[in-house]
Amino acid sequence: AQSVTQLDSQVPVFEEAPVELRCNYSSSVSVYLFWYVQYPNQGLQLLLKYLSGSTLVKGINGFEAEFNKSQTSFHLRKPSVHISDTAEYFCAVSNTGGFKTIFGAGTRLFVKA
Amino acid sequence: DGGITQSPKYLFRKEGQNVTLSCEQNLNHDAMYWYRQDPGQGLRLIYYSQIVNDFQKGDIAEGYSVSREKKESFPLTVTSAQKNPTAFYLCASTHPGTGQGNTIYFGEGSWLTVV
Repeated sequence: AQSVTQLDSQVPVFEEAPVELRCNYSSSVSVYLFWYVQYPNQGLQLLLKYLSGSTLVKGINGFEAEFNKSQTSFHLRKPSVHISDTAEYFCAVSNTGGFKTIFGAGTRLFVKA
Repeated sequence: DGGITQSPKYLFRKEGQNVTLSCEQNLNHDAMYWYRQDPGQGLRLIYYSQIVNDFQKGDIAEGYSVSREKKESFPLTVTSAQKNPTAFYLCASTHPGTGQGNTIYFGEGSWLTVV
């Protein structure tokens, strides 16, 4: 069985400050890892994904994430956030041979002026 | 533009009533999904379908039903057996085996409220 834990339910941060949203997963098989973003009253959209290869993955809107197999983590980072980054962020894991994706509970990022 | 269309955006259900949420995709994706989202609980899988005329229960299928008669359509019916249906419902699709690694494409969601 797989599981995903997002370690922070809410992260307040000032504009132009760096941010890290933490994600840990557990799985007995090879996985794909994802971060999705959800703006209020909308569906989710893909920020970035790790399928294989380089452990540092760059996504849209200046976000990046690093896959750490030994620590089973996939933390999301941005060096300087904007007000428009205020949203909910979901970490997700999918096994490489299946159809199902497991989502974390989400982290609400609140960027203050 | 390709995408997933959900309708209606807002729906109100009376006690004892069945309601159906529509989901249509023009991405030519084989697999489709329905998720339920409650505050602070992330997304939970209700049903999924890998191909036409086939579907499987997810983690919280009780009180819901689906059909997959066409590749592009995957409607969800919330039955009167679902005792707490108030939530945000998300339809999604993937195209397994295309090198996208199960990347999920989501619709804009539908709000269902019991009145």
